[in-house]
Amino acid sequence: AQSVTQPDIHITVSEGASLELRCNYSYGATPYLFWYVQSPGQGLQLLLKYFSGDTLVQGIKGFEAEFKRSQSSFNLRKPSVHWSDAAEYFCAVGRGAAGNKLTFGGGTRVLVKP
Amino acid sequence: DVKVTQSSRYLVKRTGEKVFLECVQDMDHENMFWYRQDPGLGLRLIYFSYDVKMKEKGDIPEGYSVSREKKERFSLILESASTNQTSMYLCASSLIGQETQYFGPGTRLLVL
Repeated sequence: AQSVTQPDIHITVSEGASLELRCNYSYGATPYLFWYVQSPGQGLQLLLKYFSGDTLVQGIKGFEAEFKRSQSSFNLRKPSVHWSDAAEYFCAVGRGAAGNKLTFGGGTRVLVKP
Repeated sequence: DVKVTQSSRYLVKRTGEKVFLECVQDMDHENMFWYRQDPGLGLRLIYFSYDVKMKEKGDIPEGYSVSREKKERFSLILESASTNQTSMYLCASSLIGQETQYFGPGTRLLVL
């Protein structure tokens, strides 16, 4: 069965510092991979996705993620964090037709210090 | 602009009540989904629908049912609410063959 692990429940980072959120997945086939962000009181917004091709994908809000098949990882990065990046981040793997059925990780909550 | 709306942001119900959570999307999407979100567990898929009157169980369907009579509306039903169904419920939709799901703001349900 597919699963997604986000090892870090909370991360605190200073504004302007770099950020990396870890995601490991378990899935038998080539995965569809996603990162979503949930700001306080909001629904989820898609940051980026990977299906095939270039393993480094660019997303919105200055985020990028790198797919590493050998490590079953899809880590999210941002070079310089802004206070508005404080949110909860979810990694997900899509299965089924067009990757429609999503399995989510437990989430990582990011706090940004001034 | 894409829009998924949910009928209530907060809901308080009593054990044993029948509860309806409504979701409406205005994007003519074929697929609609219901998830529940719990701390540390992320989101878990309850049910999804790929067409009117069509539904398929997700990962945690027990205690829930769904209804999709119109393309734009997908309802989640708790036949007899229990305290372990206290959670945040999120609805999403997507185009058939497209992977990106669009989420509503969520309904926070408290069952007493």
